[in-house]
This record gives sequence, C-alpha cells and structure tokens, in this order.
Amino acid sequence: QVQLVESGGGLVKPGGSLRLSCAASGFTFSDYYMSWIRQAPGKGLEWVSYISSSGSTIYYADSVKGRFTISRDNAKNSLYLQMNSLRAEDTAVYYCARAAGRGHWFDPWGQGTLVTVSS
Amino acid sequence: QSALTQPASVSGSPGQSITISCTGTSSDVGGYNYVSWYQQHPGKAPKLMIYEVSNRPSGVPDRFSGSKSGNTASLTISGLQAEDEADYYCSSYTSSSMVVFGGGTKLTVL
Repeated sequence: QVQLVESGGGLVKPGGSLRLSCAASGFTFSDYYMSWIRQAPGKGLEWVSYISSSGSTIYYADSVKGRFTISRDNAKNSLYLQMNSLRAEDTAVYYCARAAGRGHWFDPWGQGTLVTVSS
Repeated sequence: QSALTQPASVSGSPGQSITISCTGTSSDVGGYNYVSWYQQHPGKAPKLMIYEVSNRPSGVPDRFSGSKSGNTASLTISGLQAEDEADYYCSSYTSSSMVVFGGGTKLTVL
C-alpha cells in the first residue's frame, strides 16, 4: 500500500537548521509531485512547498522562501526539506504528502514529524 | 496569500446534514476547479475526502459531497454519523502556482 514516513524532526534553537526526510513506498515515486505541509500546535494546515516529479519545478510559501529548500532523490524514493534560519513560528508538525499535479490535491499524507524551535 | 475563509465550527445531530463553506477569491477558489477537502481526527494525519470540487476518492462514503459557486466552495455531509466528528479543511490551487488552505472547521456531532 502507499506509505509515506517522515523523520528528522526534533528540538532546535532559533537560528538553527534541521533536515526532514520522507520515505515513500507502494507507488512509483518518480511519477508524482510531492509536497510538505505543516500544522502548528492547535492551528490549521499551512502549505509549505512542492516539487515536481523530476525536481525541476519548485514553489515555496512566502513564509519559508529563502530559508527552506525542498529536494528529492528518486533513486531512493525520498523527499527532503532542509530548514535553515529556523524561527519559533516554524514550530509545527510537518507532513509530507503525495500531490496530484501542482498541489491540486494531496493524498495520502504521512504521519508527520514534530519540529520544535525553542531556546 | 491569505487563507481561505471557513466557519470555525458547525454542529449537527446524527442523521442530519451539514454544510461547511470555504470562501476565497477569483485567484484561487473561483479561478480553478482544484478545490479539495480534508478530514482530520485529533492526533491523526489529514485524509482526502473531496478533490476537484466534487470528486470522491475511492473509499469515501457518498454521504460526503462537494460543490462550488463563484468564489465559495462547500462540503456537505448528509446522514451525519458520530465518526464524522473531526476538523475539516478546504484547499485550493492559486494563480501564483501555490496552494492555500482554509482555517479549518470543527464539526461536532451532537
């Protein structure tokens, strides 16, 4: 079955960096756009970024542009999110999700990984 | 990009129908048929319930339906059941090639 498993979350100080990973299985990873979506504690969903199947097309939310970098390794069926210059407001559960087209919809979602930015 | 507007909460009794609205602009909801809806139970990952305004993925009960008029999309749940109690989020593709979510609606089954 289609499965997405995120890892790499944890506690980091403001200004620090963290790299999230998402391992995909059960489908042809290289055929799909992929996306990161986050949810701050007790808050709603916020789209972060998506990347095309080849990696040639990438978009970011304004809130993370210039600080976060999305990438993928199709040979390893893996999606990544490099997060630099982290701020307290980046504290959230980060979900990876398979995207239809350019984020036309997302299905399925991983279980999420918690990133906490605090001193 | 501003979040889409959803009511903070809705409620209904078992067997009744409820509708959740999702209002955007002509640059997102009104401009594309790429509105989707997600159900999220506490502590769980979101689950796709409706895509492309009104299409249901395999396995989603036909009690769930979606529609759109102008800049407002709607999710209707008929024959409410206890397990429908959850948070619901709408999402839309935008003219900036980005994605925007609604603020979420908490559905309470009385």
